Amino acid sequence: QKEVEQNSGPLSVPEGAIASLNCTYSDRGSQSFFWYRQYSGKSPELIMSIYSNGDKEDGRFTAQLNKASQYVSLLIRDSQPSDSATYLCAVNGNSGGYQKVTFGTGTKLQVIP
Amino acid sequence: GAVVSQHPSRVICKSGTSVKIECRSLDFQATTMFWYRQFPKKSLMLMATSNEGSKATYEQGVEKDKFLINHASLTLSTLTVTSAHPEDSSFYICSARKGLGNYNEQFFGPGTRLTVL
Repeated sequence: QKEVEQNSGPLSVPEGAIASLNCTYSDRGSQSFFWYRQYSGKSPELIMSIYSNGDKEDGRFTAQLNKASQYVSLLIRDSQPSDSATYLCAVNGNSGGYQKVTFGTGTKLQVIP
Repeated sequence: GAVVSQHPSRVICKSGTSVKIECRSLDFQATTMFWYRQFPKKSLMLMATSNEGSKATYEQGVEKDKFLINHASLTLSTLTVTSAHPEDSSFYICSARKGLGNYNEQFFGPGTRLTVL
């Protein structure tokens, strides 16, 4: 079982719709969760951090965390073509006594004009 | 803000030469920096974790004598690809950790695209 799992996609949504990106993780002791956006040929950019159960909203983005289910998601409202990118889920846990962030393989999002 | 820079952004070199890549945290101090490699259309692959003032921790399968890492200060880490070969051609990305304990975030540099001829 992978430590952080994401559907590779592509996930295609029409412009203006809500895009829902999902991620599951295996380490129940994980405390910090992140979503990164990576455009083709560019490095990842941090867009959301979430540390406690529930929802966290920032503009058109909402991160949702459910530690009991080991599940974290990212909702993008009013999706725009410029949101087309690969979205990486990252989970921070303890590995061998030190902090380690593990990345999922990413979900490719395509927003269709 | 949290800005991480990398230099150079792009480098082309001949096989057998060494290439040094610098990673700097510009507006915060980073006790830990990370080096990743990414091949086209593939996932990020963590190569090593760099801690200021101590030896880097390399991931399994990464040759520490080939990929030399120096974390000289709280704002600078360098990766040297020694005796580069065409198979080392890749996108190298560093990141720096800001914050302490569980409430920390990683910020990425813009990456360095290495082409070995």
